[in-house]
Amino acid sequence: DAGITQSPRHKVTETGTPVTLRCHQTENHRYMYWYRQDPGHGLRLIHYSYGVKDTDKGEVSDGYSVSRSKTEDFLLTLESATSSQTSVYFCAISERQGDTGELFFGEGSRLTVL
Amino acid sequence: QQQVKQSPQSLIVQKGGISIINCAYENTAFDYFPWYQQFPGKGPALLIAIRPDVSEKKEGRFTISFNKSAKQFSLHIMDSQPGDSATYFCAAYNTGNQFYFGTGTSLTVIP
Repeated sequence: DAGITQSPRHKVTETGTPVTLRCHQTENHRYMYWYRQDPGHGLRLIHYSYGVKDTDKGEVSDGYSVSRSKTEDFLLTLESATSSQTSVYFCAISERQGDTGELFFGEGSRLTVL
Repeated sequence: QQQVKQSPQSLIVQKGGISIINCAYENTAFDYFPWYQQFPGKGPALLIAIRPDVSEKKEGRFTISFNKSAKQFSLHIMDSQPGDSATYFCAAYNTGNQFYFGTGTSLTVIP
């Protein structure tokens, strides 16, 4: 299994509070991604990173920010959580991009916003 | 708008049967089509993938059939086993862009 650790694995929070999810990798892969998984929507890309301090938006980036200060860590922040952000969040990594780079996923972080 | 449409949402198959999951896309710029398998409580994992220059790819009991003109591709699981029970996601990638995933198919193989 790829060395990807997500924390926390489960979190319950209240609307309006800030939340930070952490993804830590031990593979030294260049690319890191945050996806959310929701019934009826599959996996949707929130943000991704192609290097330290290099990030870009995905298709559902509103309400989320990310930071990558070290190769191994990619943080996803919800500045003010809303109930619509209740979801399972997956971090993924890849050594290369696209069709030459397999995505390796973490085990997910389940976030509930009350 | 869903870039990749996947069906069925759920599928129940007897052990030894064939499981078939279908996906369709519109963007002809997509040039890589992987399938991911996800077990409960785990993250998705790459199962098999195909590029549009071939019409079929087989790995063990898993086969991808690709129809470029129809913009459709499907996953066939031969001799389905209870251990194949999982959620399957198709995806499409546009070089230099990002992966777009289907909505997933929950497969249950009955012993």
